[in-house]
Amino acid sequence: AQTVTQSQPEMSVQEAETVTLSCTYDTSESDYYLFWYKQPPSRQMILVIRQEAYKQQNATENRFSVNFQKAAKSFSLKISDSQLGDAAMYFCAYRSADISNFGNEKLTFGTGTRLTIIP
Amino acid sequence: NAGVTQTPKFQVLKTGQSMTLQCAQDMNHEYMSWYRQDPGMGLRLIHYSVGAGITDQGEVPNGYNVSRSTTEDFPLRLLSAAPSQTSVYFCATAGGLETQYFGPGTRLLVL
Repeated sequence: AQTVTQSQPEMSVQEAETVTLSCTYDTSESDYYLFWYKQPPSRQMILVIRQEAYKQQNATENRFSVNFQKAAKSFSLKISDSQLGDAAMYFCAYRSADISNFGNEKLTFGTGTRLTIIP
Repeated sequence: NAGVTQTPKFQVLKTGQSMTLQCAQDMNHEYMSWYRQDPGMGLRLIHYSVGAGITDQGEVPNGYNVSRSTTEDFPLRLLSAAPSQTSVYFCATAGGLETQYFGPGTRLLVL
């Protein structure tokens, strides 16, 4: 079974600065997807960024980028130029790329990191 | 295009009562699932479905039932609510290898 670990329950950053959230995972699979979801106080789960394990290039979405280290099973999220609207819980999640087995489409989540933006 | 909708937004139940949490999607996704979110534990999978008529258990299925008679709807039933089922419940859908999309959540309080 896959596991996802987020070792930082809380992080804070000054507005306009850069912050990195950590995520490690454990799997025996070679092909999979990794995600970062943002959950603001509204509780809506919002996809921030997605990485396919077979791609060596790190995914980027505007101010959000990842550092994907497959051998180390590490998947960190970097937020540049932090804004007040970035304050939220951030969840790292894993999903198998093998859909031949029912249930492999499920997401396995970490316990989350609460990010505070200091004005 | 409403995406994924959930009703109700908030519900209070007494121990032993039953209720159904509704989830509907208009994206024609085959895969639908229910998660519960508890403090400090992230989201955990309760049940999922890979198409109409096909359901299976996730990580924490006890106390919950599901059925899938249409592609659009995937209700979650609590037959006899317990305080341990106090949580926030999310429905999510996906089409093939695409990203999963979440509904807005249902907050449930069992007294």
